[in-house]
Amino acid sequence: AQSVTQPDIHITVSEGASLELRCNYSYGATPYLFWYVQSPGQGLQLLLKYFSGDTLVQGIKGFEAEFKRSQSSFNLRKPSVHWSDAAEYFCAVVGMGQGGSEKLVFGKGTKLTVNP
Amino acid sequence: EAGVAQSPRYKIIEKRQSVAFWCNPISGHATLYWYQQILGQGPKLLIQFQNNGVVDDSQLPKDRFSAERLKGVDSTLKIQPAKLEDSAVYLCASSLMLNQPQHFGDGTRLSIL
Repeated sequence: AQSVTQPDIHITVSEGASLELRCNYSYGATPYLFWYVQSPGQGLQLLLKYFSGDTLVQGIKGFEAEFKRSQSSFNLRKPSVHWSDAAEYFCAVVGMGQGGSEKLVFGKGTKLTVNP
Repeated sequence: EAGVAQSPRYKIIEKRQSVAFWCNPISGHATLYWYQQILGQGPKLLIQFQNNGVVDDSQLPKDRFSAERLKGVDSTLKIQPAKLEDSAVYLCASSLMLNQPQHFGDGTRLSIL
């Protein structure tokens, strides 16, 4: 079955520092991959997605992610973190659901704290 | 465009009571999803509708959970009777069609006493 692992439960960075959130997936074929962000008390907002093509994907809010098939990874990066980036980040892969349908399978999330 | 609307935002009930959540997807979105997000975990798909038909309900605890989308627009999710382990945030999402990016509502936070 498809699965997503986010090894880091909680990460703390200083404002202005660079950020990398790790994501590893398990999927037999070419995966469809997503990163979502969730601020407290809110739903999930799509940051970026990878379907095919260029392995470096640009998203909103200055985020990017790189798909590495050899490492089964889809890590999220940002060169300079802002205090407003403090939130929880979820990596997801499209997996096979009931009756051949496709569904999103989420990791457990990484909580980002930004120090001033 | 208006986003996915959910109500209520918060609900507190005692175990064995019943509760219902409502979701209004983005206009024109054919696919609607209900997720359960337990504290410290990622969202887990409970049920997926395409228009008013069920596509996937394999992870819906059918002995106590039910959902409907009668006219292919709004949807309700019901729990009866509630158990302590049902305490979670229930998220609704919609997409234009199957396998397109999903847009999420702000969720309903359910606490069971």
